[in-house]
Amino acid sequence: DSGVTQTPKHLITATGQRVTLRCSPRSGDLSVYWYQQSLDQGLQFLIQYYNGEERAKGNILERFSAQQFPDLHSELNLSSLELGDSALYFCASSVATGLAGNEQFFGPGTRLTVL
Amino acid sequence: TQLLEQSPQFLSIQEGENLTVYCNSSSVFSSLQWYRQEPGEGPVLLVTVVTGGEVKKLKRLTFQFGDARKDSSLHITAAQPGDTGLYLCAGLYNNNDMRFGAGTRLTVKP
Repeated sequence: DSGVTQTPKHLITATGQRVTLRCSPRSGDLSVYWYQQSLDQGLQFLIQYYNGEERAKGNILERFSAQQFPDLHSELNLSSLELGDSALYFCASSVATGLAGNEQFFGPGTRLTVL
Repeated sequence: TQLLEQSPQFLSIQEGENLTVYCNSSSVFSSLQWYRQEPGEGPVLLVTVVTGGEVKKLKRLTFQFGDARKDSSLHITAAQPGDTGLYLCAGLYNNNDMRFGAGTRLTVKP
């Protein structure tokens, strides 16, 4: 158990819909990262927040957005869903702000299926 | 196209055998990490390497970072069924861009 929690564990929805994935970081961790893992693309970094502010952006689509709240939990919002958005979405957290050399602790993931 | 190429994509070996998996890029990494992921779980960090030529050992696992910081390898000695999993390398570019390889899926048969 990494100490990072993600809800829901599974999510099934239809194309065109909008969903929200939730992540609670480890106690004391200020950074939250979101990743997408699909069979054909592997694990892709989406976005990072540190203490409520966006710190780094990866391959995140404009249809996706995220935020980190004052209590440090984070939400990833996916809208206008397409079949290709079906994937595992992971949240990770770390103590420090930078990506360089910091150990990230990954949650168990949310499996999104878009039908 | 993956910025990080991992090979082999799949590897199935018998318990007790040795193996090496590779992570290669045409770009220079600021640092590189190796993770292991089991089905239904998130990746777990194994090691971070930062200096070109660096070698780190973790029990039966030996990690090497290339001198030019463009490639890395993971060598497992006397593999055990518990080593089964997806091994991912992740390279950090320009301190702000982290890219993962597609992974090597290792199966160790008893």
